[in-house]
Amino acid sequence: DAGITQSPRHKVTETGTPVTLRCHQTENHRYMYWYRQDPGHGLRLIHYSYGVKDTDKGEVSDGYSVSRSKTEDFLLTLESATSSQTSVYFCAISAARVGNTEAFFGQGTRLTVV
Amino acid sequence: DQQVKQNSPSLSVQEGRISILNCDYTNSMFDYFLWYKKYPAEGPTFLISISSIKDKNEDGRFTVFLNKSAKHLSLHIVPSQPGDSAVYFCAASMDTGRRALTFGSGTRLQVQP
Repeated sequence: DAGITQSPRHKVTETGTPVTLRCHQTENHRYMYWYRQDPGHGLRLIHYSYGVKDTDKGEVSDGYSVSRSKTEDFLLTLESATSSQTSVYFCAISAARVGNTEAFFGQGTRLTVV
Repeated sequence: DQQVKQNSPSLSVQEGRISILNCDYTNSMFDYFLWYKKYPAEGPTFLISISSIKDKNEDGRFTVFLNKSAKHLSLHIVPSQPGDSAVYFCAASMDTGRRALTFGSGTRLQVQP
């Protein structure tokens, strides 16, 4: 199994508070991604990183920011949590080799905003 | 605008029979396709993939077929087993840029003993 750890695994927070989710990898993969999973939508890309300090937006990036100061860590921050951000969040990593973009996923973080 | 679509939210089959899960895509730039399996409270796990230069890839009980002209792929599971019961996601990517996966909405497969 790919070495990916997400923390926390579960979190309940109040509307308006900042929240940071952490993804840690031990595979030294260049690409890291944050997805959210919601019923009827599959997994949607929030932000991704293609190297240290190199990040970019995905399809559902509003209200989220990310940082990657080390190869192994990718942080997702909800600046001011809203109820619409209640979701399951997955981190993924990929070596993204030419002809193979297979990604490995963490266990997920279930976030509830009340 | 969903670029990857799984139009069947659920599928139920008998143990030992074939399961066929379908996926359609709209973006002709996609050149790599994957299937992931997901159990409750776990992250998706990679199952099988296919490059756009192929039309079939087989791995044990799992076979993926790609029809580029129809922008359609399917996953065949033969024979189906109760342990195959899970949600299956189709995903696609391009070999350029961010190389992120674009996912379908998933199909819940239930294999009845």
